[in-house]
Amino acid sequence: DAGITQSPRHKVTETGTPVTLRCHQTENHRYMYWYRQDPGHGLRLIHYSYGVKDTDKGEVSDGYSVSRSKTEDFLLTLESATSSQTSVYFCAIMTGAGLGYTFGSGTRLTVV
Amino acid sequence: KQEVTQIPAALSVPEGENLVLNCSFTDSAIYNLQWFRQDPGKGLTSLLLIQSSQREQTSGRLNASLDKSSGRSTLYIAASQPGDSATYLCAVVVNAGNMLTFGGGTRLMVKP
Repeated sequence: DAGITQSPRHKVTETGTPVTLRCHQTENHRYMYWYRQDPGHGLRLIHYSYGVKDTDKGEVSDGYSVSRSKTEDFLLTLESATSSQTSVYFCAIMTGAGLGYTFGSGTRLTVV
Repeated sequence: KQEVTQIPAALSVPEGENLVLNCSFTDSAIYNLQWFRQDPGKGLTSLLLIQSSQREQTSGRLNASLDKSSGRSTLYIAASQPGDSATYLCAVVVNAGNMLTFGGGTRLMVKP
């Protein structure tokens, strides 16, 4: 099974502070994704990457940036956290086998 | 824009019942459809992946069918058990960026 880990698992931060979430994969899958999950909205795509330094926006990208300097790491940054960004964030990789997906365990972020 | 709908939103059944969860999508031009399970406070676990050229996939007590022309998929759970209690999500892969579009999920409770 594809290894994918997210860090941190939980974080509480103050409004206006920068926050970076990390997604790490142990294999060389090309596609990586960041989703957020909120009650009433389900899972929504924030950003995705299709290779090193190749990223694109998803449905809810405002207030977020991403970087991918290595195949194995995909970072999500909230430049100035707001309360509306309180959510559970999931990273996913496309494993290539029929375009199946594997998800990380999630990061629960609270902005106070 | 692809939209995915899951009905019902919640379902409560006694142990041992066979049940069907429904998923519909608006654009039939999909690559594949994937069913996930999510336990409270946890990440997503992939259950079944159906390619666009396939009609169904089976894994143990789970069977998923796909009818692309009508934009529908069903997840059949045989002989339900309390351990099946979770939220079940369906998602389709759309063209741009191979990203997943999720339904809102069906929250299943199987009572002993």
